[in-house]
Amino acid sequence: DTAVSQTPKYLVTQMGNDKSIKCEQNLGHDTMYWYKQDSKKFLKIMFSYNNKELIINETVPNRFSPKSPDKAHLNLHINSLELGDSAVYFCASSQDNRFSQPQHFGDGTRLSIL
Amino acid sequence: GNSVTQMEGPVTLSEEAFLTINCTYTATGYPSLFWYVQYPGEGLQLLLKATKADDKGSNKGFEATYRKETTSFHLEKGSVQVSDSAVYFCALEFGGSNYKLTFGKGTLLTVNP
Repeated sequence: DTAVSQTPKYLVTQMGNDKSIKCEQNLGHDTMYWYKQDSKKFLKIMFSYNNKELIINETVPNRFSPKSPDKAHLNLHINSLELGDSAVYFCASSQDNRFSQPQHFGDGTRLSIL
Repeated sequence: GNSVTQMEGPVTLSEEAFLTINCTYTATGYPSLFWYVQYPGEGLQLLLKATKADDKGSNKGFEATYRKETTSFHLEKGSVQVSDSAVYFCALEFGGSNYKLTFGKGTLLTVNP
């Protein structure tokens, strides 16, 4: 019973391609997040949605577009992939968007750009 | 599978109090262990890590020792400050081609002046 599941776990693709990473949570949470892990293990927040509405949109290239068809899903679409996009991306969810709420993380998606 | 269990918060302390946040893990093999800290509105920063049994990670006055016999990695600080108020996440990592980072649910720490 995986609470937060991301697919795929690994994604290897060519520069210039468009790809999507999917995230689903079965916890009934209102808020979902996407993080990018950098080379120093820092998880930088990219986007946050609360009840399908965008509430955090950090400075990321507009090649990255999140989509939340319902509050249980937050997908990440990336256009024109670049070498610097290679990283591990983590999805997370929490009951609501208060800072105090515990976050539940997915297992991560390792994206490798050739 | 791998899992991390950390004490539920919130934890509220007065400035200069001693802090312990418990973390235990279940894993097949020998993971690396981490503590991350998240300040309001920010991402997760790596606070400290330990890569093998009996290693002690330390940073900014925080310490944690990798205890294989008790599968624990408890976070401690002798004297907390208001600026330490944040959410703390324990995590375990398996590197290499089957990279996996598994987080605990986080513990909110509030330090009052």
